[in-house]
Amino acid sequence: AQSVSQHNHHVILSEAASLELGCNYSYGGTVNLFWYVQYPGQHLQLLLKYFSGDPLVKGIKGFEAEFIKSKFSFNLRKPSVQWSDTAEYFCAVRSSGGYQKVTFGTGTKLQVIP
Amino acid sequence: GAVVSQHPSRVICKSGTSVKIECRSLDFQATTMFWYRQFPKQSLMLMATSNEGSKATYEQGVEKDKFLINHASLTLSTLTVTSAHPEDSSFYICSARDFRNQETQYFGPGTRLLVL
Repeated sequence: AQSVSQHNHHVILSEAASLELGCNYSYGGTVNLFWYVQYPGQHLQLLLKYFSGDPLVKGIKGFEAEFIKSKFSFNLRKPSVQWSDTAEYFCAVRSSGGYQKVTFGTGTKLQVIP
Repeated sequence: GAVVSQHPSRVICKSGTSVKIECRSLDFQATTMFWYRQFPKQSLMLMATSNEGSKATYEQGVEKDKFLINHASLTLSTLTVTSAHPEDSSFYICSARDFRNQETQYFGPGTRLLVL
């Protein structure tokens, strides 16, 4: 069975600080990896995804994530956060076969202080 | 982008009653929809996978007779919580996969259920 762990539950940063949110997964086969964001009062939105190819993936709003296969990691980064990045971030993994079930991490709440 | 709606957004019901939640894909056809449940301060837990025209596939530990799922058309899936109890109070989220682009799931805004 696949699983996802996010190490940071709550992160507080000042504007312009750099961000890195950790995500590790466990699964024996080929996976697709995702980062979703949930802004306050809104539904989940896809930030970025990795299926294959370049392990450094660029998403919307200046976010990027790097897939490191040997570490089973898919950390999310942003060089300079803004107040509007305050949200909850979920890492997710999907197996490539069957019903393609998506498993979510527990989420990381990011609070950016102006 | 693709839009998924859920109705109602909030519902309060008495213990023992049944509640139906609708999930619609508004501008695409979804052969597959997923139902998730999110407890406070926890992640989304997949409850079941719903395929249009066939029976839903439930995750381990999810009671099929309690959480009835119907996916009668390519744009609508319903989740009925039967004989609801206070422990069923939660945030229910659906997502839909566009049959033309199987790679991406689009999430609905969620339904907050409170059972008194």
